[in-house]
Amino acid sequence: TQLLEQSPQFLSIQEGENLTVYCNSSSVFSSLQWYRQEPGEGPVLLVTVVTGGEVKKLKRLTFQFGDARKDSSLHITAAQTGDTGLYLCAGGRYNQGGQLIFGQGTELSVKP
Amino acid sequence: DSGVTQTPKHLITATGQRVTLRCSPRSGDLSVYWYQQSLDQGLQFLIQYYNGEERAKGNILERFSAQQFPDLHSELNLSSLELGDSALYFCASSIGRAFDSPLHFGNGTRLTVT
Repeated sequence: TQLLEQSPQFLSIQEGENLTVYCNSSSVFSSLQWYRQEPGEGPVLLVTVVTGGEVKKLKRLTFQFGDARKDSSLHITAAQTGDTGLYLCAGGRYNQGGQLIFGQGTELSVKP
Repeated sequence: DSGVTQTPKHLITATGQRVTLRCSPRSGDLSVYWYQQSLDQGLQFLIQYYNGEERAKGNILERFSAQQFPDLHSELNLSSLELGDSALYFCASSIGRAFDSPLHFGNGTRLTVT
């Protein structure tokens, strides 16, 4: 299957807590991208990871691509209310043009 | 602001009807993509055009068609509409034609079929 499965689907935490979102597949992807979507808007690209084992940091966000390029994770340190939103992972493959396969998303709510 | 413009923002129509959604890509981007987002299916890839030519096709229904014009804007035509076609339709654009070219999404057209 080409599906990307994200977990958890919903996450409600207090400001200041840490969290991790997972994105898993049984298939290999050439790259994984993470997007954040807010209500009424389109997804916005956060990061792209392309090398197995790659780790990228974006301020309080840390993204990791699994060694086998089948999974990825997003870790947020000291979450803020502004982190609230829908987080989507998306995978692409060399033989599929520009097509991205999206996960179902993780709805994150950070409460003050 | 992503630079991608989609019109209309909202569309309400009846079953059996036909609608056209329009997208203007970000200046300089040659690829246009259409995605459908629904609660049960998530974000699903429909089709990609690169510089006027179809580049990749997803699970797009036969009742749906799209094209990219010489000025690079794109239209998605949905016909014989069914209740299940109600969804958010997103257009995205990118400079390149491969999956690793960053996507810039518009704010979507919300289609409601009654």
